[in-house]
Amino acid sequence: EVQLVESGGGLVQPGGSLRLSCAASGFTFSSYAMTWVRQAPGKGLEWVSAISGGGDVTYYADSVKGRFTMSRDNSKNTLYLQMNSLRAEDTAVYYCARDYQWLVRCAYWGQGTLVTVSS
Amino acid sequence: DIVMTQTPLSSPVTLGQPASISCRSSQSLVHSDGNTYLSWLQQRPGQPPRLLIYKISNRFSGVPDRFSGSGAGTDFTLKISRVEAEDVGVYYCMQATQFPLTFGGGTKVEIK
Repeated sequence: EVQLVESGGGLVQPGGSLRLSCAASGFTFSSYAMTWVRQAPGKGLEWVSAISGGGDVTYYADSVKGRFTMSRDNSKNTLYLQMNSLRAEDTAVYYCARDYQWLVRCAYWGQGTLVTVSS
Repeated sequence: DIVMTQTPLSSPVTLGQPASISCRSSQSLVHSDGNTYLSWLQQRPGQPPRLLIYKISNRFSGVPDRFSGSGAGTDFTLKISRVEAEDVGVYYCMQATQFPLTFGGGTKVEIK
């Protein structure tokens, strides 16, 4: 069974940093591209970033480019999102998601972790 | 960026009756490989999103056959043949043909 468990969320001041993790199990982690999607309170879904199975290719939304870094450790079956220079508008539940097949994105989702940016 | 526009914003439906949601993209979602990477997701209250339909019309694992997807190019539709109480939630279309991935604004399905 595919399982994705996010952690690392919490309250952080504007300008601060946070690192999210997503622990994966139930599949061969290195074989699948992964995605981070966020959802601000009461709002819709917003794509944040994506990474290839090998970790050598990453993509970012313009809203986070230069501030967020997505990475993965395939030996630990873990996905990361390093978030720097956080802003109030980054407040959201952050979900990690796994591809199903080539370009069929976000087939399996974790439960999410809440990030609150506030002073 | 490809803009995804969903209608309606809200869909009150009687149990057992059909529901239909439309999604229009600002440009064609046909990929250079010939596939169209348009998906539909369901988000029940308090839950993470769940993939229902991928590549326009393919039901994902475990999805009931009352859900169906159709369309081509820039116009797509999700249909629920007979709405059940467990179908209450927000439905999103999503395109993965090109980065950035983009989602529709969501359609809330509720019971009358």
